[in-house]
Amino acid sequence: SQQGEEDPQALSIQEGENATMNCSYKTSINNLQWYRQNSGRGLVHLILIRSNEREKHSGRLRVTLDTSKKSSSLLITASRAADTASYFCATDTGRRALTFGSGTRLQVQP
Amino acid sequence: NAGVMQNPRHLVRRRGQEARLRCSPMKGHSHVYWYRQLPEEGLKFMVYLQKENIIDESGMPKERFSAEFPKEGPSILRIQQVVRGDSAAYFCASSPSGQLNYGYTFGSGTRLTVV
Repeated sequence: SQQGEEDPQALSIQEGENATMNCSYKTSINNLQWYRQNSGRGLVHLILIRSNEREKHSGRLRVTLDTSKKSSSLLITASRAADTASYFCATDTGRRALTFGSGTRLQVQP
Repeated sequence: NAGVMQNPRHLVRRRGQEARLRCSPMKGHSHVYWYRQLPEEGLKFMVYLQKENIIDESGMPKERFSAEFPKEGPSILRIQQVVRGDSAAYFCASSPSGQLNYGYTFGSGTRLTVV
């Protein structure tokens, strides 16, 4: 399996609920990043967490990193219909480019 | 600051033709990355370039694909003799340095359809 696998593959929630997405990876990392992709568009960088950090917040986003389990989670609180998108984790493993996972497709029902 | 500009947004080519995809990085960014995305999948790394240099092309197919980033002008991803399997979205990202502790800035992509 690949570096950076998101779980679940798809998630459907109601507006106002929280959405949690997980990312697992295999090799050691320097940092892990989360991106959002709206349908038919490019990816937008959301947040970066370094390997020596455990938690980071940005607005309604909360990211955690557990390097012992090689996993990260992205929590979106009080979700909105506009949060509907695909979310990807990307890892900096010391190679020259980021490695992306296959994404979680989030649907927020109004 | 126009961001990363990719053109064309959509490109249709017949099998055997050539496809040329262009990417202008953000102002001040000299590092360009090309990724390919198949429907419902993640992004697969293809090539990383700095001005006039290919730094890492480990994700690029050995045949028919080439990339350049000249001193002047945009980065070009060139696919010769396209086949149906080349149909995908191709994204370009740029960063101010080769350090990956900055996030990438992505373009909106070029959607290539081979008919």
